[in-house]
Amino acid sequence: EVQLLESGGDLVQPGGSLRLSCAASGFTFNNYAMTWVRQAPGKGLEWVSSISRDGTTTSYADSVKGRFTVSRDSSKNTVYVEMNSLRAEDTAVYYCARYYCGGSGCYRNYDYWGQGALVTVSS
Amino acid sequence: DIQMTQSPSSLSASVGDRVTITCRASQTIGTSLNWYQQKPGKAPNLLIFDASSLQSGVPSRFSGSASGTDFTLTINSLHPEDFATYFCQQSYSNLVTFGPGTKVDLK
Repeated sequence: EVQLLESGGDLVQPGGSLRLSCAASGFTFNNYAMTWVRQAPGKGLEWVSSISRDGTTTSYADSVKGRFTVSRDSSKNTVYVEMNSLRAEDTAVYYCARYYCGGSGCYRNYDYWGQGALVTVSS
Repeated sequence: DIQMTQSPSSLSASVGDRVTITCRASQTIGTSLNWYQQKPGKAPNLLIFDASSLQSGVPSRFSGSASGTDFTLTINSLHPEDFATYFCQQSYSNLVTFGPGTKVDLK
């Protein structure tokens, strides 16, 4: 059974830092790129960042570029997002999700998602 | 960035109704359009990928279509468990964007 389990959500002060983890199981981790999507309270979905299967290629939304860093550890089947200089507008539930990348390219439809981790940025 | 719009933003319907939700992209995206259903407190669930392909395990009452930069999600004969919010997502660009969502509630 495919499972994605986020952890690390917390209350943090503005300007602070936090690292979220997403532990994957039930599939071949190295066959999938991974992504982070967030949802502010009562709002829609916002793509945050993605990382390639081998971790060499990353991309970020303009709203987090320069503050967030995505990484992955294939030995632990885990993807991370390091969040620095946090702002009130970063308050959201953060979801990790997977998407398949094969020889003909990547298919950015997210077929499995984690349950989400709540990050609250407030003093 | 590619902007996605959805209409309506909300709608009220009854069990058994046929529901149509529209999504429009700000530029051509081919058929790189996906639909998700989200219920309160839950992660989104992929319904349709590549504009019209039904994700495994999704009931056949859900269908998708495309016409240029306009995309449609149709739910034939609404079931009680279909009351939820629906989002479209373009996967044409590596800078993925979502539509603002359409909430379907009980009339």
